[in-house]
Amino acid sequence: EAQVTQNPRYLITVTGKKLTVTCSQNMNHEYMSWYRQDPGLGLRQIYYSMNVEVTDKGDVPEGYKVSRKEKRNFPLILESPSPNQTSLYFCASSWTGLLNTEAFFGQGTRLTVV
Amino acid sequence: SQQGEEDPQALSIQEGENATMNCSYKTSINNLQWYRQNSGRGLVHLILIRSNEREKHSGRLRVTLDTSKKSSSLLITASRAADTASYFCATDSPLSGTYKYIFGTGTRLKVLA
Repeated sequence: EAQVTQNPRYLITVTGKKLTVTCSQNMNHEYMSWYRQDPGLGLRQIYYSMNVEVTDKGDVPEGYKVSRKEKRNFPLILESPSPNQTSLYFCASSWTGLLNTEAFFGQGTRLTVV
Repeated sequence: SQQGEEDPQALSIQEGENATMNCSYKTSINNLQWYRQNSGRGLVHLILIRSNEREKHSGRLRVTLDTSKKSSSLLITASRAADTASYFCATDSPLSGTYKYIFGTGTRLKVLA
């Protein structure tokens, strides 16, 4: 079954404690991206990756890091989380970054930073 | 920067009625997509419409695109309780030279049984 898998689904952490949210896709997609979703602000893109070892900033990259060492995995790293990073996070993948193919989304990670 | 803006923000209708939601965007696009999100879950792709297309259908869904007005609409006919969800449009940004998807803030649809 085609899917994007994020882990964990829920996470509560303390300010400053490094964390990683994993994302894996089984469709051999080249394009992967991370979004955060906040009430009233919709989905905002954090980082995206066109292919292995190729990443670029989205609209809200501050405080986040990503890596793309393998095609299937695109982890999101918060080196020093802060309360304003409390949000619902989604990973997505698609064949290309041209919006001419559908994107598949993970089920989301609800992060709370206290 | 917000490219897509959905309207209305919230919509409540009776089962069997049609639901129409709109998306406006600021700069020219190549493609526009609509997604559905059930409460707190991942987005699910509904339909893709390209800039050279004016209308597309998929089951009970009808999407139109008016590039002169920079707007798109999603019509759900004969709505069902299961259509209760948030609906988002997503656009690309070819003029920026980047490969970003830009989502709007969504329309929350509630279908009453």
